[in-house]
Amino acid sequence: AQTVTQSQPEMSVQEAETVTLSCTYDTSESNYYLFWYKQPPSRQMILVIRQEAYKQQNATENRFSVNFQKAAKSFSLKISDSQLGDTAMYFCAFHQGAQKLVFGQGTRLTINP
Amino acid sequence: DVKVTQSSRYLVKRTGEKVFLECVQDMDHENMFWYRQDPGLGLRLIYFSYDVKMKEKGDIPEGYSVSREKKERFSLILESASTNQTSMYLCASSSGTGGDEQYFGPGTRLTVT
Repeated sequence: AQTVTQSQPEMSVQEAETVTLSCTYDTSESNYYLFWYKQPPSRQMILVIRQEAYKQQNATENRFSVNFQKAAKSFSLKISDSQLGDTAMYFCAFHQGAQKLVFGQGTRLTINP
Repeated sequence: DVKVTQSSRYLVKRTGEKVFLECVQDMDHENMFWYRQDPGLGLRLIYFSYDVKMKEKGDIPEGYSVSREKKERFSLILESASTNQTSMYLCASSSGTGGDEQYFGPGTRLTVT
């Protein structure tokens, strides 16, 4: 079974700093998708960024980018120029077939003013 | 704007009660999901449905059942609520194609006393 591990339960940085959230996963498949979802306090979970495993280029979305290391099964999220609105729970998720996602434990990120 | 709604944000029930959690999506999505979110455990899949009247067990189906009579509505049923089912319940939906984003509802925080 696929597993996703986020080893940082909590992180805290100052506004405007860069922060990297770690995620590792385990699979024997070669084609799959990886996601980072964001859950702001008392608000709905939303997609931050998606990576297709067969694409070598790392995905980017404005201030958000990933470092996808397929051989190492690592998928970290980098947030540049962090903002107060980035304060949230962040979940790494793995998708392979059957439309199901497997989620990591989550990282609670706090951006301090 | 895409929308997934859940019938209640907060719910308090007594042990042994039958509990219904409702989820409605307006995106004509084929797939719908029920997750349970607990601190330190991330999101765990309870059940999912890829078509009307179709359902499949997720990772933690024990103590739960589901119903999908219409495409837009997916219900989670706790036949006899127990205190260990106190949790946040999230509904999500996605289209039928691989690797698509899941859209989440706001969640229902259920407390069983």
